[in-house]
Amino acid sequence: SAVISQKPSRDICQRGTSLTIQCQVDSQVTMMFWYRQQPGQSLTLIATANQGSEATYESGFVIDKFPISRPNLTFSTLTVSNMSPEDSSIYLCSVGGATQYFGPGTRLTVL
Amino acid sequence: QQQVKQSPQSLIVQKGGISIINCAYENTAFDYFPWYQQFPGKGPALLIAIRPDVSEKKEGRFTISFNKSAKQFSLHIMDSQPGDSATYFCAASGNSGGYQKVTFGTGTKLQVIP
Repeated sequence: SAVISQKPSRDICQRGTSLTIQCQVDSQVTMMFWYRQQPGQSLTLIATANQGSEATYESGFVIDKFPISRPNLTFSTLTVSNMSPEDSSIYLCSVGGATQYFGPGTRLTVL
Repeated sequence: QQQVKQSPQSLIVQKGGISIINCAYENTAFDYFPWYQQFPGKGPALLIAIRPDVSEKKEGRFTISFNKSAKQFSLHIMDSQPGDSATYFCAASGNSGGYQKVTFGTGTKLQVIP
């Protein structure tokens, strides 16, 4: 299994601003995943990030709103842009295949 | 489209009782069925998993029952303890575009009361 850390653990942001979430893995991995978990809801995959290529976004998520960087095999960032209260969620990064290993999450509140 | 349906949404069980959570899937291409446990403020963590060629898998107090023909699987927690109080997600994964894509159920919030 992998050990995954995320920064920040939580943040409160104003409408219209952007927040960048960092994800660090303790081993090199090909693919990293970003999920959103809205309050009391399930996990929804936002995008898949491969090192050296553009992220692949799921239906309903676009690069302009959720730009992702993957500069190396142990690190990725997700930016939530032009935030609105509807973006208030927990954002999780993960690695793995059939079994996913998750970071602790970033709890975002947008006022 | 919700491909993995999970019930109940919430569950209260007496300490020592059996907790049962049910899931159903639609996509027959799924080939791996994990269960995740999530405590408040933490990310989900793998609890137990099963492949569709097996009808049951047991690890300690946790058992997965799998019915391939009905496209259903369930988690049984025997001798439930207050420390089991958490949110449980079933999931299903299959190959999509060259990698294993995981679809999660809607979650069950379990409370075990002393």
